[in-house]
Amino acid sequence: DTGVSQDPRHKITKRGQNVTFRCDPISEHNRLYWYRQTLGQGPEFLTYFQNEAQLEKSRLLSDRFSAERPKGSFSTLEIQRTEQGDSAMYLCASSSLGAGEMETQYFGPGTRLLVL
Amino acid sequence: AQSVTQLGSHVSVSEGALVLLRCNYSSSVPPYLFWYVQYPNQGLQLLLKYTSAATLVKGINGFEAEFKKSETSFHLTKPSAHMSDAAEYFCAVRGGGADGLTFGKGTHLIIQP
Repeated sequence: DTGVSQDPRHKITKRGQNVTFRCDPISEHNRLYWYRQTLGQGPEFLTYFQNEAQLEKSRLLSDRFSAERPKGSFSTLEIQRTEQGDSAMYLCASSSLGAGEMETQYFGPGTRLLVL
Repeated sequence: AQSVTQLGSHVSVSEGALVLLRCNYSSSVPPYLFWYVQYPNQGLQLLLKYTSAATLVKGINGFEAEFKKSETSFHLTKPSAHMSDAAEYFCAVRGGGADGLTFGKGTHLIIQP
């Protein structure tokens, strides 16, 4: 069990550019979540996948954001035409939905995005 | 919809003193409640979770929390603070069919030597 990993850990980009982040969940975890955390705030839920299916999207996820989990393993989060307001820490979490128990979400170290 | 309120954005205690971090929740259904800790430039680590099995929940690093339905609270405590406890603490709730967690704004715990 190597934990949830995210890549890159830091990203600096210019306004208007596209960026893509990757998340590798704990192996065999069937659920994967994306959150956004701005300075001084708690994480805010963006979206989640069960296997390859995207089951829920927050209203925070504008049309410029897209997430995929094509084979039910790793996931990517893409932001198109970045804006300065997109500057934040993007956190990924994974969990295993077992029968008869409450799942626990395990978080990765995050990708810190700065849009100039 | 569920929500979480953490009272006190900053809490300062002396090393060896009691730690009390407050969390109140709002949920239209029986909630699942969590406390996470975040160290600088790191992700969140689960301290403990309430899943209705027991109202007093023990977690890692000597922390525990008590679920009080009448007060809609889930306060986090530790009898004796250690310097290594200095971090940001988040209370979170999950319920009502939404699988994403709803977090509070966090409490920054400062340990005075």
